[in-house]
Amino acid sequence: DAGVIQSPRHEVTEMGQEVTLRCKPISGHDYLFWYRQTMMRGLELLIYFNNNVPIDDSGMPEDRFSAKMPNASFSTLKIQPSEPRDSAVYFCASRLQGGNTGELFFGEGSRLTVL
Amino acid sequence: AQSVAQPEDQVNVAEGNPLTVKCTYSVSGNPYLFWYVQYPNRGLQFLLKYITGDNLVKGSYGFEAEFNKSQTSFHLKKPSALVSDSALYFCAVRDMRNDYKLSFGAGTTVTVRA
Repeated sequence: DAGVIQSPRHEVTEMGQEVTLRCKPISGHDYLFWYRQTMMRGLELLIYFNNNVPIDDSGMPEDRFSAKMPNASFSTLKIQPSEPRDSAVYFCASRLQGGNTGELFFGEGSRLTVL
Repeated sequence: AQSVAQPEDQVNVAEGNPLTVKCTYSVSGNPYLFWYVQYPNRGLQFLLKYITGDNLVKGSYGFEAEFNKSQTSFHLKKPSALVSDSALYFCAVRDMRNDYKLSFGAGTTVTVRA
């Protein structure tokens, strides 16, 4: 299996622009998580899905952030409009319910820089 | 609520010496405990986990961790560190009753000098 695939790996944009990050989870995994990593705040859970349904989005910073999972093999995290404080590495992770008692498989991350 | 504390931001050891990375946790019920490692510009990789049973668990790359319920700790150890073990290490906990949320510690940067 190719693992969790994220794109783009790097994104540089200007304040006010829309940013879309993409994730393809491991086939057969039914949980998908979006995390954000910064030096100041460490690893933060933004939102997670179970069977394509958002379960907990309490970690989403504000209304500028939105996430979707239209099918079992694809999810997006969108920031509109972007701000410099959104600069971070965004990770997608997936797991299989119950199968291996919960270990997460992470993608390589999308490094976002907002100028 | 569940949480993890990694009391050391950095750990520095010489190659060949034992390595210990500390972790304490707090959960309402019984914990599932995990260690992950992150190399520069990479995603987190699973190292090992404690679910139940033997308090000493063995994982990838020669790492092991000991679950101590009375001290609510889950320290990561390696008997003889390698320069290639230099990375960022995360401890994580999940309450058995919650089938989803994994709470991560702040991470500990390990530097192994030659």
